[in-house]
Amino acid sequence: QVQLQESGPGLVKPSETLSLTCTVSDGSISSYYWSWIRQPAGKGLEWIGRIYSSGSTNYNPSLKSRVTMSVDTSKNQFLLKLTSVTTADTAVYYCSRHRANWMIDYWGQGTLVTVSS
Amino acid sequence: QSALTQPPSASGSPGQSVTISCTGTSSDVGGYNYVSWYQQHPGKAPKLMIYEVTKRPSGVPDRFSGSKSGNTASLTVSGLQAEDEADYYCSSYAGSNNYVFGTGTTVTVL
Repeated sequence: QVQLQESGPGLVKPSETLSLTCTVSDGSISSYYWSWIRQPAGKGLEWIGRIYSSGSTNYNPSLKSRVTMSVDTSKNQFLLKLTSVTTADTAVYYCSRHRANWMIDYWGQGTLVTVSS
Repeated sequence: QSALTQPPSASGSPGQSVTISCTGTSSDVGGYNYVSWYQQHPGKAPKLMIYEVTKRPSGVPDRFSGSKSGNTASLTVSGLQAEDEADYYCSSYAGSNNYVFGTGTTVTVL
């Protein structure tokens, strides 16, 4: 049973960069797609983007200019960076495994990131 | 890209059925058989319930079923149980390596 765990600062200042890491355990990061998804309090899910274990990325067009994803296969981790954050980026951020048929079969527990000065 | 449209709420009594719609366009729901449905209980991560429009992952009760007609996908929960009370989200591949979620539906078991 693959497990995912998000980690990173819970508080980020406006205009700064949000950085999160997802650690994959009980399974290999290789040969899979991995996604980041966020959910503002009381609102719906938003797909941020995904990365393949080789490093190939696909981003949500609405966030593309501010998003960078990377992968570290030696640590079984993948990372998210979101630049120039505003209060609208305050949300629970989930990391997940995104299969080739576009289903998401494993999710992390989520981590709340608050953007505030 | 726009979120897929779902009704904000749906409800039914225990044992009854409830159907949730998910309306997109020919560029997403109507164009691909990559519609998934997720169940989310308060404070928890979403859980995959249906993938590729009609398929159920191992462990998901057969009370949950999916279908699609044109640009609208549907999730039906038959024999409603108290534990089915949750938020449900559809999602779809939207072409050009893009992915979109629905607006979400809160299911209440009366």
